[in-house]
Order: sequence, then structure tokens, then C-alpha cells
Amino acid sequence: GNSVTQMEGPVTLSEEAFLTINCTYTATGYPSLFWYVQYPGEGLQLLLKATKADDKGSNKGFEATYRKETTSFHLEKGSVQVSDSAVYFCALSDRTGANSKLTFGKGITLSVRP
Amino acid sequence: GAVVSQHPSRVICKSGTSVKIECRSLDFQATTMFWYRQFPKKSLMLMATSNEGSKATYEQGVEKDKFLINHASLTLSTLTVTSAHPEDSSFYICSARASPNEQFFGPGTRLTVL
Repeated sequence: GNSVTQMEGPVTLSEEAFLTINCTYTATGYPSLFWYVQYPGEGLQLLLKATKADDKGSNKGFEATYRKETTSFHLEKGSVQVSDSAVYFCALSDRTGANSKLTFGKGITLSVRP
Repeated sequence: GAVVSQHPSRVICKSGTSVKIECRSLDFQATTMFWYRQFPKKSLMLMATSNEGSKATYEQGVEKDKFLINHASLTLSTLTVTSAHPEDSSFYICSARASPNEQFFGPGTRLTVL
């Protein structure tokens, strides 16, 4: 079956530090890959996505590249801000249209201190 | 982006009672909604897919008589936890599909069963 593995957390960084959150996956076929973010007290929001190998998703300074050869989709940001403190989930969807379902990693809490 | 609400945000009930959680898409129609359960430090687990006007599709291991789902309109799905017990205490999250590969998530409902 499908699975998503995220690095163990939590992660605490100082403002302007470089961020990498690792994510690897197991899936049949060619899944779409996603990063979701959950800010305190809010629902999950789509941060970025990539639908095929070598695609790079980017948003709000975050980037992730779909690496089929390493089955990875690591999230990076060059300079984090306090406002980036949240829980980050990596996810995949191995179907499209009406049958698409998301499989999530465990999530990782990021805390950015001033 | 599209907004999904959940009500209540937090509920405490006695063992043996039933609890209903509502999930509403506020500014779009959703023929498909999803219900997830999130355990501490674990990923979101898909419980069921709720389809407007038809029976919900439950994931393996989820008791359909325990977790009743009704998707009576294009903007509302409800999850009823019947005869709740302490092991049902969890964080329940819904999402609504706005397009084939995009889901919008509610803020979640914290259920505590005493």
C-alpha cells in the first residue's frame, strides 16, 4: 500500500535559518505529491504540490522537488520566519479525479524563534 | 481559497452517548467530502469518503455502524460517533473536494469522551 514517511520532529530553528524537512514515499504508479501546512488553530492548507517527476512546487518561499529516483519530496526554505511556525504534512495521491485520496505522513512541528 | 467549517470545534461527552460533528463547505459545493481522524503525533487517517446523495465509503477497519456519515446536501456532511467510548477520543478533521485534485480542510473537532 501507499505510505509517506517524514523525518521525526519537532524542529526548532532561529529566524532566517535554512529549513529542510525530509519526506519519502512508497506508492504504486505515479503519485502526485503535496505539502500541507497547519497553523495553530486552523485547518490544513495546501502549501505546494508536484504532479510528475522532476516537477518543483513552490509557494511562500518554500520549495520541493519531486524526485522519482529517490522517491522523495523534501521541503526547503532558505530563510524561515517566525510566522512559518506550524505543523507540516507531506502527502501523496495516487489517483486522479473522483477516486483521488490523500495519504499523509505523520507531520512535523516547526517552531521558529526570533 | 475555499473555506470549510466544522462544528463544534470541541466537545466533551459521557461514555455511551452519541456525538454529531458537522462539516460545511461555505463558498463552494462539494459532491465529495472526507473524514479523517488524527491521533497525537500520528498522521491523519482517512476514515471514510462521503458522497452526496449516496452511501459513504469506509476505509478498512473503520466501523460504519460506529461512525455514521450523512452527506445530505452539496455543502454539508455529518459524522455521528455512536455510543462513544474513551478510545474514540481524538481529533476529527473533514475536508471537501473542490476540484479533482484539490481538497480544502476544516479546522477539526476535538472529541473527548469521559
